[in-house]
Amino acid sequence: EDQVTQSPEALRLQEGESSSLNCSYTVSGLRGLFWYRQDPGKGPEFLFTLYSAGEEKEKERLKATLTKKESFLHITAPKPEDSATYLCATYGQNFVFGPGTRLSVLP
Amino acid sequence: DSGVTQTPKHLITATGQRVTLRCSPRSGDLSVYWYQQSLDQGLQFLIQYYNGEERAKGNILERFSAQQFPDLHSELNLSSLELGDSALYFCASSVVTGELFFGEGSRLTVL
Repeated sequence: EDQVTQSPEALRLQEGESSSLNCSYTVSGLRGLFWYRQDPGKGPEFLFTLYSAGEEKEKERLKATLTKKESFLHITAPKPEDSATYLCATYGQNFVFGPGTRLSVLP
Repeated sequence: DSGVTQTPKHLITATGQRVTLRCSPRSGDLSVYWYQQSLDQGLQFLIQYYNGEERAKGNILERFSAQQFPDLHSELNLSSLELGDSALYFCASSVVTGELFFGEGSRLTVL
């Protein structure tokens, strides 16, 4: 059975303090790994798709990387507006979402 | 704006009642997915439709049903509602097995 876990469950950073979120997965025949941002009470917002190990994607202060068993979402010099829950999802036979990492960036 | 439209945004009803949630996918997207998210819980996959046909089923209760119409909009029907059905219900669409684009959700409160 495909599984996706994320760590840490919650992360508090000071503004400007860079860090990384982890997504570990066990998927048969990975066809894509996705990162989403979700604000409270809102729908998840698509950020990145990664297809193969070694691939990297960047958007503003965010960079996503992929290995054969993990993906990382690196946040460089975060701002308070980056506070949200970040979800990782895989697509093999089906979409499987991780539980998310709740990020708080303090001014 | 993801291009996925869900109505209603909020719904308050009583136990035992039935409600219908509606979703219009992005233009050109053939797949529609329904997810449930309870307070502080992860996204739980309910069901997927592709071009009018059921494609995959997740943890969907027998009291719940869905369909996708010829114009590709989808409806999720929830019946014999219980307090525990209170949640955010999200619809998402995708054109191929790629990214999912989510609507803003329908918040259901069962009293």
